[in-house]
Amino acid sequence: GAVVSQHPSRVICKSGTSVKIECRSLDFQATTMFWYRQFPKQSLMLMATSNEGSKATYEQGVEKDKFLINHASLTLSTLTVTSAHPEDSSFYICSARDWNSDKTDTQYFGPGTRLTVL
Amino acid sequence: QKEVEQDPGPLSVPEGAIVSLNCTYSNSAFQYFMWYRQYSRKGPELLMYTYSSGNKEDGRFTAQVDKSSKYISLFIRDSQPSDSATYLCAMTGKAAGNKLTFGGGTRVLVKP
Repeated sequence: GAVVSQHPSRVICKSGTSVKIECRSLDFQATTMFWYRQFPKQSLMLMATSNEGSKATYEQGVEKDKFLINHASLTLSTLTVTSAHPEDSSFYICSARDWNSDKTDTQYFGPGTRLTVL
Repeated sequence: QKEVEQDPGPLSVPEGAIVSLNCTYSNSAFQYFMWYRQYSRKGPELLMYTYSSGNKEDGRFTAQVDKSSKYISLFIRDSQPSDSATYLCAMTGKAAGNKLTFGGGTRVLVKP
């Protein structure tokens, strides 16, 4: 149980293009999903909290117009990196909170998406 | 000072040894404590979840929480080469906004 998938696992794009990353909870409903960014040999940095049916909450310093988040259903959240630039190259990881779980506030993570912007 | 401190390692141990990992934290609002394992270029995998002070055991893993000292530990018995990974502590709580705060991660290498 508590499986989270991400698609694609790896994407290479040209500078200036937009990239969409999907995050799905496969066997549970997730009213809340999170998007993280991780640079090599560093820990996860929370970018935003995605709530089903409402606007995402962004962490300080994260541009909401650049990182568009949509959480249209209880099992799907998407992150769109708009007009990507080489400095956006990173490992993007989503997580989902299982509101039915007895483990309060536990997040289950997806396998991550490696974005490379040329 | 970071909210959660974790030695980055690397921690190198021979196969079969006990791996000892720990984190210290400063925010008293943290109520829930987790340990995640992350292999290279993969997402973190939940290993242990604890709520109160004390010990919790699951197979070869033992998690300890000492809220009075703001100190948590993870022990891995009979370590295997497949345990080689980065281990991240994480914690959260309602008064902390229900967001996970991670330690920086400790890289562990178990040598056969």
